[in-house]
Amino acid sequence: AQSVTQPDIHITVSEGASLELRCNYSYGATPYLFWYVQSPGQGLQLLLKYFSGDTLVQGIKGFEAEFKRSQSSFNLRKPSVHWSDAAEYFCAVAYYSSASKIIFGSGTRLSIRP
Amino acid sequence: DVKVTQSSRYLVKRTGEKVFLECVQDMDHENMFWYRQDPGLGLRLIYFSYDVKMKEKGDIPEGYSVSREKKERFSLILESASTNQTSMYLCASSSGSDIQYFGAGTRLSVL
Repeated sequence: AQSVTQPDIHITVSEGASLELRCNYSYGATPYLFWYVQSPGQGLQLLLKYFSGDTLVQGIKGFEAEFKRSQSSFNLRKPSVHWSDAAEYFCAVAYYSSASKIIFGSGTRLSIRP
Repeated sequence: DVKVTQSSRYLVKRTGEKVFLECVQDMDHENMFWYRQDPGLGLRLIYFSYDVKMKEKGDIPEGYSVSREKKERFSLILESASTNQTSMYLCASSSGSDIQYFGAGTRLSVL
């Protein structure tokens, strides 16, 4: 079955430190890949997406993610986090056969240490 | 700018009540979705619709129904609310296989 795994439930990093949030998916073909962010009490906002082409994608707010087919991963990175990055982050995948449906990971909550 | 509007941010209902959650999008998207979000479980798809009057069950449709009479509006209905339906409900819309745009969510408490 198709699935998305975010192995880290909660991560705390210091302001100014680098960040990497992990995401793995299971599927035989190449999926569409997304990262969304949810600030407290808000809906989800798209950070970036990968459909095809360059496997390193740039998003908003200084985030980037790299698609690694051999590892079935799509990890999110940011070189220097800001206190405003504290939020919940969701990795998601959609598939060609049902491209309108998206499967979400369980989320990683990011806290920022001053 | 893209906009998905959910009619209520917070809702408190009693067990057994019929509950309507409304969602409106202004982007002429053909696809609309209802999710529920619970801590540690991420977002789970309840129902989605790919056209007016069309609907498909998602992963957790039990206890819910939906209505899509107009392209811009997608309603989630709890026929008889139960305490285990206390959750955050998120509506989203998309065009084709493009990204989904989300509303701000409705936090429903069933007492």
